[in-house]
Amino acid sequence: AQSVSQHNHHVILSEAASLELGCNYSYGGTVNLFWYVQYPGQHLQLLLKYFSGDPLVKGIKGFEAEFIKSKFSFNLRKPSVQWSDTAEYFCAVSSKAAGNKLTFGGGTRVLVKP
Amino acid sequence: NAGVTQTPKFRVLKTGQSMTLLCAQDMNHEYMYWYRQDPGMGLRLIHYSVGEGTTAKGEVPDGYNVSRLKKQNFLLGLESAAPSQTSVYFCASSSPGQGSYNEQFFGPGTRLTVL
Repeated sequence: AQSVSQHNHHVILSEAASLELGCNYSYGGTVNLFWYVQYPGQHLQLLLKYFSGDPLVKGIKGFEAEFIKSKFSFNLRKPSVQWSDTAEYFCAVSSKAAGNKLTFGGGTRVLVKP
Repeated sequence: NAGVTQTPKFRVLKTGQSMTLLCAQDMNHEYMYWYRQDPGMGLRLIHYSVGEGTTAKGEVPDGYNVSRLKKQNFLLGLESAAPSQTSVYFCASSSPGQGSYNEQFFGPGTRLTVL
């Protein structure tokens, strides 16, 4: 069965600081990987996705993530955060073997101080 | 395009009451899903549907039922609400993609409190 773990539950940082959120999944086969963001009071929105090709994926709002197959990781990065990046971030994985269903990590709450 | 919509947005129930949450999508998606979101646990799949008239159990199906009578609608029912079902419920939809790629689009959520 596939599973996802996000290392940090809460992250607090100042504007202009760099952000890296860890995500590890457990499944040995072919996977698709996603990062979703949930701004306060809003629904989930897709930040970026990986399903094949270049393991460095660029998403919206300056976010990127790198798929490292040997480490079963898909960490999210942003070089310089803004106050508006305050949100909860979810990593998710899907696979054909799991019927293409998404499995989510527990989420990381990010607070960016102005 | 409204995307994925959910009604109601908020609801308070007493233990033992029943209710139905409605999800509608206008993207002609085949697949629809119901999740619950609890602090520190991410989103967990309750039930899902891969087409009109078909439903299947997800990770946490107990205490819930679903129906997919029309392609655009997916209903989630609570037969006898319990305080443990206090949560935020999200509906999502997607279209089968190439290989196993399957981006899901989410609704705005329903905040349910069971007293």
